[in-house]
Amino acid sequence: GAGVSQSPRYKVAKRGQDVALRCDPISGHVSLFWYQQALGQGPEFLTYFQNEAQLDKSGLPSDRFFAERPEGSVSTLKIQRTQQEDSAVYLCASTKGESYNEQFFGPGTRLTVL
Amino acid sequence: SQKIEQNSEALNIQEGKTATLTCNYTNYSPAYLQWYRQDPGRGPVFLLLIRENEKEKRKERLKVTFDTTLKQSLFHITASQPADSATYLCALLGSNDYKLSFGAGTTVTVRA
Repeated sequence: GAGVSQSPRYKVAKRGQDVALRCDPISGHVSLFWYQQALGQGPEFLTYFQNEAQLDKSGLPSDRFFAERPEGSVSTLKIQRTQQEDSAVYLCASTKGESYNEQFFGPGTRLTVL
Repeated sequence: SQKIEQNSEALNIQEGKTATLTCNYTNYSPAYLQWYRQDPGRGPVFLLLIRENEKEKRKERLKVTFDTTLKQSLFHITASQPADSATYLCALLGSNDYKLSFGAGTTVTVRA
C-alpha cells in the first residue's frame, strides 16, 4: 500500500469493554511497532514484531494488552477490560527491517474510554 | 533512567524568521538522533537523521546539529512558512536498538 493504515481512526469504549485496533503496514515491511501517545506527550514504545515474531513486548502496560501479527503483515492490538487510563492515541509504525531509523507511522487510532 | 527534554513552551514566530528547537537528553548515548514532524490527528513523519559522529546535517530549509558532549541537538527551520506550523519531535535510537525514544515535542506556530 501507499502507507501505513490503521483502523478504526476513532474508538469510544465503555469501561470494561474489549477493543481491537488494526494496523496494515507498508507492504514488504518486516518490522512493525506499536506506540501509545498520551495527549501532549511523545509516542511511547509498546511492542515490536519482526515478521510474525513478537520480539519485545516490554512496553505493554499490563496483561490486558495483547498484540499479534500472525502472518507477518497485518497486526492487531487488543485491549481487554478497558480502563480510563487506556485513553490515548495508538500508533503503528513499520520499517523495511534493514534499519530501525525512519519509521513510517500510520495516522493512529484515538481510543476514548468512558 | 533516560530522559529526553524538548523546549517546554510552544514557539510562535513570524514568517521568514528562523525557528530553533532544542532536544536535550540524559543517561543515554544514542547512535542516531532523528526529528519527526507531527500534524494534529496524524502520525509522526520522519524529517532528518543525524549520526553520533556527525555534527551537522541539512535538508532544504532544515538544519540539525548534534553535540554528544553537551547531549543536545538543535533543529532549525530557516525562512519559516505558515505551512511549517506543527509539532516537532526528537527521537533517539541506540546503536543496537530498535526502540525509538521520543521527546514530548515542541509546537511551532508560524504567523503570516
